[in-house]
Amino acid sequence: GQSLEQPSEVTAVEGAIVQINCTYQTSGFYGLSWYQQHDGGAPTFLSYNALDGLEETGRFSSFLSRSDSYGYLLLQELQMKDSASYFCAPRDNYGQNFVFGPGTRLSVLP
Amino acid sequence: DGGITQSPKYLFRKEGQNVTLSCEQNLNHDAMYWYRQDPGQGLRLIYYSQIVNDFQKGDIAEGYSVSREKKESFPLTVTSAQKNPTAFYLCASSIRTGGTGYTFGSGTRLTVV
Repeated sequence: GQSLEQPSEVTAVEGAIVQINCTYQTSGFYGLSWYQQHDGGAPTFLSYNALDGLEETGRFSSFLSRSDSYGYLLLQELQMKDSASYFCAPRDNYGQNFVFGPGTRLSVLP
Repeated sequence: DGGITQSPKYLFRKEGQNVTLSCEQNLNHDAMYWYRQDPGQGLRLIYYSQIVNDFQKGDIAEGYSVSREKKESFPLTVTSAQKNPTAFYLCASSIRTGGTGYTFGSGTRLTVV
């Protein structure tokens, strides 16, 4: 079967660092994507990890451990505009589609 | 600029009516997807298409139908058989099935009145 776990909510202050964890179980595994979605908007692609390790893109980094079925999104130098929902999405082996988690709502406080 | 266009942005449907949501992309992507999102929830896959004239059911296909007659277009019909259609509907595409990530449209918010 498939399962995905993310924290439902995270709160942090401007300028801080926050880590959003994701554990997954899928039918086979190709890689892990992360998306950001502001209220009422469309999800936007942030990153994709196919191999173990850390990928850095500006203030955002994403990590993957295939052996642990675990990944995280690291957001540095938080800004108010980072307040949004963040979804992890592993790509499964069955339909080769991405499976979206329940999302983590990040609130950045001044 | 390339992208995905969904229309309309807001749609109201009476009980018992079928409605069709439009999704058009000019990214030259082969694969297209329809997702449903309920308030505070994640995205659930309704249908996907890997290539023209082919589509597959996702996790919650009951009460929905699609067609893929052109590469650029993947309309979704919400039929009267869908018992709880009020939701936010998102169309997405990728260069091929899976790939590294999806490009999403801006969504259609459907409300049953």
